[in-house]
Amino acid sequence: EVQLVESGGGLVQPGRSLRLSCAASGFTFDDYAMHWVRQAPGKGLEWVSSITWQSGSIAYADSVKGRFTISRDNAKNSLYLQMNSLRREDLGLYYCAKDRFYYGSGGFDSWGQGTLVAVSS
Amino acid sequence: QSALTQPASVSGSPGQSITISCTGSSSDVGGYDYVSWYQQYPGEAPKLIIYDVSRRPSGVSHRFSGSKSGNTASLTISGLQAADEADYYCSSYTTSSTYVFGTGTKVTVL
Repeated sequence: EVQLVESGGGLVQPGRSLRLSCAASGFTFDDYAMHWVRQAPGKGLEWVSSITWQSGSIAYADSVKGRFTISRDNAKNSLYLQMNSLRREDLGLYYCAKDRFYYGSGGFDSWGQGTLVAVSS
Repeated sequence: QSALTQPASVSGSPGQSITISCTGSSSDVGGYDYVSWYQQYPGEAPKLIIYDVSRRPSGVSHRFSGSKSGNTASLTISGLQAADEADYYCSSYTTSSTYVFGTGTKVTVL
């Protein structure tokens, strides 16, 4: 059974940093692209970032480009999101999601339960 | 990276069919056959119900079907059931090698 478990969320002041982690199990992690998707309270889904199976291709939403960095450690079956210069509008539940294919674009077929990020002074 | 446009809400009676539209541009929905649909219940993570415009993952009911015409994709739910009451989001791969989600549609079963 595929399992994705996010961690690292919390309350942080504007301008500070957080590092999210996603521990994957139940599938061959390095065979698939991975994604981060966020959802502000009561709002819709927003794609944040994606990374292909061997980190050869990485993409970011304009809203986080230059502030967030996605990475993965295939030896540890883990996905990461380094979030710097956090803003109040970065508030939300951050989901880790698995793609159907190694290069992405196949649909996000497994999701974690999310980790909550709150940005407030 | 503007969100794809979906109706805020759609409703129907049990047994009826409803259709949710998802309108984008030639840079996303119209550019690739990489449109997906997700179902999300309150307090839960989204679930993939359609990928590649019209394909269903294993285990997803045949009552869910997808299609696309030009820059607009559609999700049809046939034989509407109380369990279908949820939020639905479309998503598309884009020509910038990014992804974009729709604004979301709340489905109500009357």
